[in-house]
Amino acid sequence: QLQLQESGPGLVKPSETLSLTCTVSGGSIISSAYYWGWIRQPPGKGLEWIGSIYYSGSTYHNPSLKSRVTISVDTSKNQFSLKLGSVTAADTAVYYCASYQLLSVFFDYWGQGTLVTVSS
Amino acid sequence: QTVVTQEPSFSVSPGGTVTLTCGLSSGSVSTSYYPSWYQQTPGQAPRTLIYSTNTRSSGVPDRFSGSILGNKAALTITGAQADDESDYYCVLYMGSGFWVFGGGTKLTVL
Repeated sequence: QLQLQESGPGLVKPSETLSLTCTVSGGSIISSAYYWGWIRQPPGKGLEWIGSIYYSGSTYHNPSLKSRVTISVDTSKNQFSLKLGSVTAADTAVYYCASYQLLSVFFDYWGQGTLVTVSS
Repeated sequence: QTVVTQEPSFSVSPGGTVTLTCGLSSGSVSTSYYPSWYQQTPGQAPRTLIYSTNTRSSGVPDRFSGSILGNKAALTITGAQADDESDYYCVLYMGSGFWVFGGGTKLTVL
């Protein structure tokens, strides 16, 4: 059973870059079956898909965030990462990493989430 | 821009049945969107209930069921219990790696 764990700074200043890492355990990030994604949830609001990556490096981004988002994978560390540039207070949210398989097409494993606050 | 619609809130009596829906701002939801449903309680990560329209995730009670009703995906809870009081989210797979979440439904059991 996969386990996912987010890590990164809990506080980011406006206009700077938010950086988070998701560490995968219980399985390999280079599994051909899995895609790896980022989802966020502003306080009191709903879930928003940010983007996803396949171990080969193929990436998919929410069009509303695309120009600010970079998602990468580090196969040597069994991790994938999110960078979100030029952040504002509107980017304050709990950020989740999650996995999905194209065969079953749903987010099957989730990290516990990490709160990132954008504030000076 | 694709918008996935859900009822903002719903209430159900204990033991009652409730159907939450997941629609598209333009067009119909079909099985081709692989609708999935997630339950979330405060401070917790979402928990998968239903995927691929109507497949229950492991360990999910059979009082939860999924379907297509008309032009929407639907989540039906039969025999609602107090601990079903949660937020429920649907998500649609738009293809080519893209996903869109609905705004969520806050379910009250009273």
